[in-house]
Amino acid sequence: EIVLTQSPGTLSLSPGERATLSCRASQSVSSSYLAWYQQKPGQAPRLLIYGASSRATGIPDRFSGSGSGTDFTLTISRLEPEDFAVYYCQQYGSSLITFGGGTKVEIK
Amino acid sequence: EVQLVESGGGVVRPGGSLRLSCAASGFTFDDYGMSWVRQAPGKGLEWVSGINWNGGSTGYADSVKGRFTISRDNAKNSLFLQMNSLRAEDTALYHCARGRAYSYVDSFHIWGQGTMVTVSS
Repeated sequence: EIVLTQSPGTLSLSPGERATLSCRASQSVSSSYLAWYQQKPGQAPRLLIYGASSRATGIPDRFSGSGSGTDFTLTISRLEPEDFAVYYCQQYGSSLITFGGGTKVEIK
Repeated sequence: EVQLVESGGGVVRPGGSLRLSCAASGFTFDDYGMSWVRQAPGKGLEWVSGINWNGGSTGYADSVKGRFTISRDNAKNSLFLQMNSLRAEDTALYHCARGRAYSYVDSFHIWGQGTMVTVSS
């Protein structure tokens, strides 16, 4: 099983600031099959990024993903008020799909 | 409108059984792999099980293997999860989710709102 470790656990930032979220895998993720999701309270997760760097339909370009192998990053270039939420990474490079524990982005 | 609607959740005693359903609409159901993903109260996401487009390939998390069975009925645009020998740690909101292609081993582009399962005596 590939274990995904997200850091930091909580990120306290102000609107307009840049957010950098990390996802580290216990072993290499095949073909960069790494996705990022946003979840707000009481809502289902929403796909932001798949294939490590491809934005999902309708996702603003302030969201970007990068990385390969075992180290992946989600960057939000300038935080908007609606971006304060919990973010999860997910790997689907193996048939045993796993999620990271999440990073909460909160208003400072 | 592309939509997934789960049903069948409820309160069940430890050791009991429950069958969840997910009704799909707005897309060609048998073009896509499907999964169940759960979220315990206040916790993160956990992939539970997946099935490819024709049911020919399935996968399970170690935590549910041997107790849960995933299936689908493409004629009825429906996904199912039969849950047996339920434990307190199975208490969670269960989402069905759609991949991007035929395999269930995928990112999840469409999510349902979930159905709550509570295992308690």
